[in-house]
Amino acid sequence: EDKVVQSPLSLVVHEGDTVTLNCSYEVTNFRSLLWYKQEKKAPTFLFMLTSSGIEKKSGRLSSILDKKELFSILNITATQTGDSAIYLCAVVGPYKYIFGTGTRLKVLA
Amino acid sequence: SQTIHQWPATLVQPVGSPLSLECTVEGTSNPNLYWYRQAAGRGLQLLFYSVGIGQISSEVPQNLSASRPQDRQFILSSKKLLLSDSGFYLCAWSGGLAGGPYNEQFFGPGTRLTVL
Repeated sequence: EDKVVQSPLSLVVHEGDTVTLNCSYEVTNFRSLLWYKQEKKAPTFLFMLTSSGIEKKSGRLSSILDKKELFSILNITATQTGDSAIYLCAVVGPYKYIFGTGTRLKVLA
Repeated sequence: SQTIHQWPATLVQPVGSPLSLECTVEGTSNPNLYWYRQAAGRGLQLLFYSVGIGQISSEVPQNLSASRPQDRQFILSSKKLLLSDSGFYLCAWSGGLAGGPYNEQFFGPGTRLTVL
């Protein structure tokens, strides 16, 4: 059965800290891996990763995929209170997006 | 540009009542469409997906059903709601066949359903 596991489930840090969120997967016919940020409502897209070892970067956020070990990490440097959210990882198979349960991040001022 | 609409935004319904949630997409053709449910503090559970008009795949047995009467319209229904149907319902779309089924997925604003 396809599954996506995210860790930790929740995390509390202080502003300025660096955090690493993990996503491991077992999915047949892997196509890509997506990261989303969900605040109060709908998830918003962050990154799509399809190739191993190529870092995607957007401001203080970066992500990388390891297709051999079947995991991805999302790094956030110099965290801010606005980074507080649930971060969702999804792995894409044919026509299917399998989501993990998410990591709830809270950044304290 | 593409946009996705969902309504209503919030809904409170009694147990045993019917349900109809609607989702429409603008600015694209032949999208893949999805219905998810998110329970409080949990991840997204895929309920249904559709790759074309009248084509519905169900992921989880339940008392919900979905229909796609038009290319860019996706409807989630129930004849009789259960307490366990409460949750946050999200509609999403991804690129159709031309764009590949592995592109990023875009979400509507969601409907928060409370069944009492």
